[in-house]
Amino acid sequence: KNQVEQSPQSLIILEGKNCTLQCNYTVSPFSNLRWYKQDTGRGPVSLTIMTFSENTKSNGRYTATLDADTKQSSLHITASQLSDSASYICVVSAFPDYKLSFGAGTTVTVRA
Amino acid sequence: EAGVAQSPRYKIIEKRQSVAFWCNPISGHATLYWYQQILGQGPKLLIQFQNNGVVDDSQLPKDRFSAERLKGVDSTLKIQPAKLEDSAVYLCASSLETFGQDNEQFFGPGTRLTVL
Repeated sequence: KNQVEQSPQSLIILEGKNCTLQCNYTVSPFSNLRWYKQDTGRGPVSLTIMTFSENTKSNGRYTATLDADTKQSSLHITASQLSDSASYICVVSAFPDYKLSFGAGTTVTVRA
Repeated sequence: EAGVAQSPRYKIIEKRQSVAFWCNPISGHATLYWYQQILGQGPKLLIQFQNNGVVDDSQLPKDRFSAERLKGVDSTLKIQPAKLEDSAVYLCASSLETFGQDNEQFFGPGTRLTVL
């Protein structure tokens, strides 16, 4: 069964600090992995996408890493801002039908 | 470019009542998805349309849920009758195609359903 596990479930950080979110998956055969940001009351928005051959991808202050051998990914937020407060969801796609498996998300709260 | 539109944004009903949600995808997107997101969980796919045909409805509780996408554009999702466990956010998403490694799904704001 394809599964995506995220940790921690939630975290609180001070504005300006960094944090790292983890994602472990058992999806196979692997196609790609996306990190989505979901603001409260909004739909998820894609931050990064990585395929098997990519091990890092950046989008501004967001940097995602992928280790396809260990089936782990991380999302690093640098110099956090209040607007980073959201849920971050790891989503993995599998061949051949590209069906998505969603993690439960990590809720990040940034405090001034 | 306009995003995925959904209505209503919020709905409160009593159990055993009926409810319907509407979704208008991004113009030109052939594929439309309905997801159920229970608080604290990731979205779960309910049904996937390619134009006006169903690609995957394996996780749709067909005894109470139904969905249609007439003319391959707008879509409606109906619950009849609703149960307490249906309380969730219902997300609609669309993508250009059904398959493809970089095929990104664009999500609407969701409809938050509360069943009392």
